[in-house]
Amino acid sequence: EVQLVESGGGLVQPGESLRLSCAASGFAFTTYWMTWVRQAPGKGLEWVANIKQDGSEKFYVDSVRGRFTISRDNARNSLYLQVNSLRAEDTAVYYCARDLSGEHGRVWYDVLDIWGQGTMVTVSS
Amino acid sequence: AIQMTQSPSSLSASVGDRVTITCRASQGIRNELGWYQQKPGKAPKLLIYAASSLQSGVPSRFSGSGSGTDFTLTISSLQPEDFASYYCLQDYNYPRTFGQGTKVEIK
Repeated sequence: EVQLVESGGGLVQPGESLRLSCAASGFAFTTYWMTWVRQAPGKGLEWVANIKQDGSEKFYVDSVRGRFTISRDNARNSLYLQVNSLRAEDTAVYYCARDLSGEHGRVWYDVLDIWGQGTMVTVSS
Repeated sequence: AIQMTQSPSSLSASVGDRVTITCRASQGIRNELGWYQQKPGKAPKLLIYAASSLQSGVPSRFSGSGSGTDFTLTISSLQPEDFASYYCLQDYNYPRTFGQGTKVEIK
């Protein structure tokens, strides 16, 4: 079964750090880009970051660049998000997702086809 | 960053209704757009990719159209399991950006 399982969330104080993990199984992890998406309570989805198969390329949304670091360990089939200098506005469920990319009828696509169940990060004093 | 503007933000509809949700990009994104469905407490689910291609396993009552800046998700005959929130996501450039979502509620 293709599966993504996040862990590492919790309650932290402003300024503190966490390391979120995502364990992948049931597919060839090393052949996919991977993504983190978050959702604040009662709010919409926000794309956070993604990483290339070999870790050589990474992209971030402006609001987290310099504070969050995405990484992966292909030997462990795992994706990570190091979240530093946390703020109240970082409170959210954090999802990892698999990037599926390709070409369909001469149209390029890059979508999120498999998602984990999410891990909750709460930043509060 | 490309802004994705979805409308409406919510709608009430009955089982069997035809429902249309629109997404407008702040600049042209060709056909590089996907649609996702999210039910309360659950992860999003991919419905449509490349603006109009139906993801495997998704019912054919869902369809997508559009290119450039204007896109539409249509549910041809709303079913009880379709009451959920729907989001568009552009995959044209970085950072990827979602629309703000449309909540489809029971009338």
